Amino acid sequence: AQKVTQAQTEISVVEKEDVTLDCVYETRDTTYYLFWYKQPPSGELVFLIRRNSFDEQNEISGRYSWNFQKSTSSFNFTITASQVVDSAVYFCALSEVTNAGKSTFGDGTTLTVKP
Amino acid sequence: DAEITQSPRHKITETGRQVTLACHQTWNHNNMFWYRQDLGHGLRLIHYSYGVHDTNKGEVSDGYSVSRSNTEDLPLTLESAASSQTSVYFCASSDSLDQPQHFGDGTRLSIL
Repeated sequence: AQKVTQAQTEISVVEKEDVTLDCVYETRDTTYYLFWYKQPPSGELVFLIRRNSFDEQNEISGRYSWNFQKSTSSFNFTITASQVVDSAVYFCALSEVTNAGKSTFGDGTTLTVKP
Repeated sequence: DAEITQSPRHKITETGRQVTLACHQTWNHNNMFWYRQDLGHGLRLIHYSYGVHDTNKGEVSDGYSVSRSNTEDLPLTLESAASSQTSVYFCASSDSLDQPQHFGDGTRLSIL
């Protein structure tokens, strides 16, 4: 089974719509770290957020928000009032203590925001 | 500003040739990683290193090798390039497992 599952391969929305990108992970560790990265059409990978397993507090940064729920092993990412510049591939990643610091990436969700 | 650079950005080569992709970081990070990105597969780990003279195989290491002679560099070598190794390659570094990875801009490699 995949350790990080991003079930949504592609999502298309119209500008100003809200959109949630799902991330479900699997681990036996009690200490682990979750990350979201953005890959815009230009190709570089940009770090967005980190969350450790002991901090279930949701986070909001401008139009971006993240909902971490250990009970469902999910770390979902919501973009409010989407913009064309949000069009990108978004990756969720898991880093486990027992996996010696390596990150396991999901397959990514391609978000297209149409004007 | 600290950065991580990859070279070349694009390369076309023929099957059977040896190819080396360079990765140089000025973050002074101990951890360095090489990934390949293919459609539908996300990022897959090829090799990684936790410090000078340390190298480890990732999930798709066959046909690739790395060496770590200093903190800054982790070159990736394709011993005998195969068409299946056509991909986009990313190098990354991190300070520790609880910190995000910093990525280079990628190398697009085509093997004909």
